[in-house]
Amino acid sequence: GAVVSQHPSWVICKSGTSVKIECRSLDFQATTMFWYRQFPKQSLMLMATSNEGSKATYEQGVEKDKFLINHASLTLSTLTVTSAHPEDSSFYICSAKGTGQETQYFGPGTRLLVL
Amino acid sequence: GNSVTQMEGPVTLSEEAFLTINCTYTATGYPSLFWYVQYPGEGLQLLLKATKADDKGSNKGFEATYRKETTSFHLEKGSVQVSDSAVYFCALRPNQAGTALIFGKGTTLSVSS
Repeated sequence: GAVVSQHPSWVICKSGTSVKIECRSLDFQATTMFWYRQFPKQSLMLMATSNEGSKATYEQGVEKDKFLINHASLTLSTLTVTSAHPEDSSFYICSAKGTGQETQYFGPGTRLLVL
Repeated sequence: GNSVTQMEGPVTLSEEAFLTINCTYTATGYPSLFWYVQYPGEGLQLLLKATKADDKGSNKGFEATYRKETTSFHLEKGSVQVSDSAVYFCALRPNQAGTALIFGKGTTLSVSS
């Protein structure tokens, strides 16, 4: 099946710094990528939807200046958490979908801890 | 709005026991329904899906039937194995094309030999 990778798998950073998370589709072209956030024992919450070459669509309540999403190619999307604070600590998961595909393929997630 | 509610875990079973993980949903129109599984250290994988009422999705011995009258999509397996230990997520996709999935909180299944 299709494979989606995320890098890094986990990261610890100081408050106030920015962190970039990469999401790559390894064997298919991902025209749409989704970014989710998961709190402990909670469901995955959609943060934003990005289509290749266009601006991401953010869900209500998600600060677009805080969570910068770039989907510059058909195999790569990045999520940058700017000026991270402890409350941004979470598990971030991306998924990718190709043109005409119904199924989303998920990355393994990135655990972020902000000290 | 759209939402998914699934039973809280953890669910602990012995090998070869019968498994049921309940999932109910709230949605307008006719959503598609999914079960995803997340094995330790891996990403979510699609386990099965159903796109219309009375459809039965099945895979790897797991089954779930789309019940519109009860707005449910319960996951079942007749005989679980240790290798089935994972977190299971019920999800729906609203009937608009291209929309993202809405997930339940996940249910952790632990199977012992």
